[in-house]
Order: sequence, then structure tokens, then C-alpha cells
Amino acid sequence: EVQLVESGGGLVQPGGSLRLSCAASGVSFSTYWMTWVRQAPGKGLEWVANITPDGSQKQYVDSVRGRFTVSRDNAKNSLDLQMNSLRAEDTAVYYCMTRAADVWGKGTTVTVSS
Amino acid sequence: DIQMTQSPSSLSASVGDRVTITCRASQGIRNDLGWYQQKPGKAPKRLIYDVSNLQSGVPSRFSGSGSGTEFTLTISSLQPEDFATYYCLQHNSYPNTFGQGTKLEIK
Repeated sequence: EVQLVESGGGLVQPGGSLRLSCAASGVSFSTYWMTWVRQAPGKGLEWVANITPDGSQKQYVDSVRGRFTVSRDNAKNSLDLQMNSLRAEDTAVYYCMTRAADVWGKGTTVTVSS
Repeated sequence: DIQMTQSPSSLSASVGDRVTITCRASQGIRNDLGWYQQKPGKAPKRLIYDVSNLQSGVPSRFSGSGSGTEFTLTISSLQPEDFATYYCLQHNSYPNTFGQGTKLEIK
């Protein structure tokens, strides 16, 4: 069973960068597709990006493509989301999850504001 | 991108009521659809996967059905702990997309 803990959120100015991390515990991390989902304050869920188990394929929602990069290190059981050129509309709680096992982290909050 | 249109956006119901929530996909998604429940301040949890399969540990009052482009989540007899927001998620193609959510409130 995989357990997930996100970190790295915080307050950043528009145009700035932030790197989110998701630490996984459990022996099966390297076999899971991993996904980032976000939720803006008072809004619904938005699928952001995912990555294949070996890290060779990545997909993004259009609104973040070219600005965000998802990566993973299976040796360290970790998943990252590098976020560049941040905008106010990127303000949200960011969750890492694996859909196959339906395991979600508790989320980390990103606030983009001057 | 596949659009998921979820309805209603909000719903008032009483304990014991039967409720149905619908998601309509803008194109066929086979059976690549799940339903999630989210309570305030918490991460979502999946109730149903692949249209109609009950996630382990989820009460049997929850059920899912549908095919092609139209899908439903039914709660047969509402319990107090069911008042929450519900989302569908299609994973047939990228980007995966959620419905807009249905907030289920106590009448």
C-alpha cells in the first residue's frame, strides 16, 4: 500500500517558481502511474499532469504545459512537480495521487500573489 | 479534450432519500470513468471505478451505471455521512478531466 505526503507549497509572486514534492512510502511506488491534481479555493478538482511508472511519458493539461514539469525518482520513492512562470490562477491545493490504488496525499497549498 | 458535464451542480436531499448524479462526456469514453467523494478540507476518495465497480470498503448503497457518454452515480438511501461533494473523472484520454462537481446538502 502506498502512502503519499506532499511538501513544497507556499507563497510565491507571479512569474516565480516553486517545486512540489510527493514522498511515497510502500513498496509499490515504482509500479504506479502518478498524477498531480489541484483544487483552487472554493472550486472543483482539476487534473494537472501524470507520469508513467518508468518516467518516460508525461502528460499535462493545456493550462500548465510548457510551465510545469513532472518527474519522479523511483530509487527515492519521490514525485516532483516543477512549476515555473506561476500565475494567480495556479493558486490551489495540489494533491499527488495514484488512480490505480486510489491513494491521495493530504495536499500542499500554493498561493501565487504579489 | 473531453468535457465532462456533471449535473446537478447542487442538490438538497434528506436522509433516506435516493439520489442520482449524472455525468455526460463530450465523446465516448468506454468504461473509463470513476466517481469520487470529497468532504471539506479532505482529499477525494474513490467510490466507483470503471463505471460500476464498487471500491473496496465503500457501502453498497453507492452504485454506478452507464455507458458510452452518459453515466450515473446513485445513492440508494442517503446517510448523514454522505453529504459531501461528488465528482466524476474520465481517464479515457489526456488530459483526464473531472466533472464540475455536485454538492449534496442536507434539506
